[in-house]
Amino acid sequence: EVQLVQSGAEVKKPGESLKISCKGSGYSFTSYWIGWVRQMPGKGLEWMAIIYPGDSDTRYSPSFQGQVTISADKSISTAYLQWSSLKASDSAMYYCARRGFSYASDYWGQGTLVTVST
Amino acid sequence: QSALTQPASVSGSPGQSITISCTGTSSDVGGYNYVSWYQQHPGKAPKLMIYEVSNRPSGVPDRFSGSKSGNTASLTISGLQAEDEADYYCSSYTTSSIHVVFGGGTKLTVL
Repeated sequence: EVQLVQSGAEVKKPGESLKISCKGSGYSFTSYWIGWVRQMPGKGLEWMAIIYPGDSDTRYSPSFQGQVTISADKSISTAYLQWSSLKASDSAMYYCARRGFSYASDYWGQGTLVTVST
Repeated sequence: QSALTQPASVSGSPGQSITISCTGTSSDVGGYNYVSWYQQHPGKAPKLMIYEVSNRPSGVPDRFSGSKSGNTASLTISGLQAEDEADYYCSSYTTSSIHVVFGGGTKLTVL
């Protein structure tokens, strides 16, 4: 059974760093793109970044380029999303998703809620 | 890249059929048969309902169907049920670097 399990909710202060994770299981982790989707409160879905763990090829949406870093550790089938300096506007739900062969995201993590507040 | 255009809301009564549109350009929806649709209930992760314009993953009821004409894709739900009330998002392959763009989402209310 394919599963994506994300790390738990985080509460941070502005300016702090953060790294959230997404562990894949039940499939060949290195054979599929995996990425991160942001959903701000009451808003829609936005692709942020994707990575191909097989060769670490990474792509960023122009809106998020330079704001976050995506990475993956194929030895433990885990993808990461990190911020070096959080802002209040980074408060959102973040989902990881596996991108299937037809560019559809067929499996999703349960979401990680990030709250950035003083 | 710009999001695909969806109506903010649609509604229908149980048993009726509704259609949600998703309009893009020739660089995304119109140019490729890689349109997918997602259902999201409140507080839950999105769920893939349609891929490659009209294909249903295993387990998705055949009440859900997809189609495309030109730069506009559509999701039709027939025989509406109360549990279909959710947000629906379309998505398409695009020539941008990240390959995929979402629509803005449509809230379906079952009256």
